[in-house]
Amino acid sequence: GDSVTQMEGPVTLSEEAFLTINCTYTATGYPSLFWYVQYPGEGLQLLLKATKADDKGSNKGFEATYRKETTSFHLEKGSVQVSDSAVYFCALSPRTGANNLFFGTGTRLTVIP
Amino acid sequence: DGGITQSPKYLFRKEGQNVTLSCEQNLNHDAMYWYRQDPGQGLRLIYYSQIVNDFQKGDIAEGYSVSREKKESFPLTVTSAQKNPTAFYLCASGTGGVETQYFGPGTRLLVL
Repeated sequence: GDSVTQMEGPVTLSEEAFLTINCTYTATGYPSLFWYVQYPGEGLQLLLKATKADDKGSNKGFEATYRKETTSFHLEKGSVQVSDSAVYFCALSPRTGANNLFFGTGTRLTVIP
Repeated sequence: DGGITQSPKYLFRKEGQNVTLSCEQNLNHDAMYWYRQDPGQGLRLIYYSQIVNDFQKGDIAEGYSVSREKKESFPLTVTSAQKNPTAFYLCASGTGGVETQYFGPGTRLLVL
């Protein structure tokens, strides 16, 4: 079945460090891929998405490229800030118009000054 | 301001008690969803509704019930049959398909 495997945390980085959070997926069709961010005490916010192979999603300095050959969608940011401290979730939608998202377990990022 | 509101922020349930979590949206979205989030786990879909007066079970519907009498509202009842209700509950709405889902701030349910 469809699933997402996400890098376990927690991850602690110093400000301005490079961030990578790994995400790989298993899907039978042509999924769309997402990264969501959850700040403390809040709901999830869509950070970025990619709907087909080789697409790159980007937002707020974060990027992720949909790699079909490696079934991956790793999240990267070149220089993290304290305000990026949050939990990041990788998610998969099996196909366009599907009614369900399959989430990874989440990775908690803490950025220290 | 358009958005999704969930209330209360914290909810306490006694053993054997049913409790209802509120979710309201003023985004004019047709679809609404309920997810459960447990520590160290991703979100899991409980129920979803694509249109008023219609809803479908998600992956973990047992012990929960919903109604969709109005487009704006999608309350979730955690029944006494749900033996492990302690979790963070997130409501979402969208225009159809998960690509357009917007999430509410969540309700944390605790059992006394």
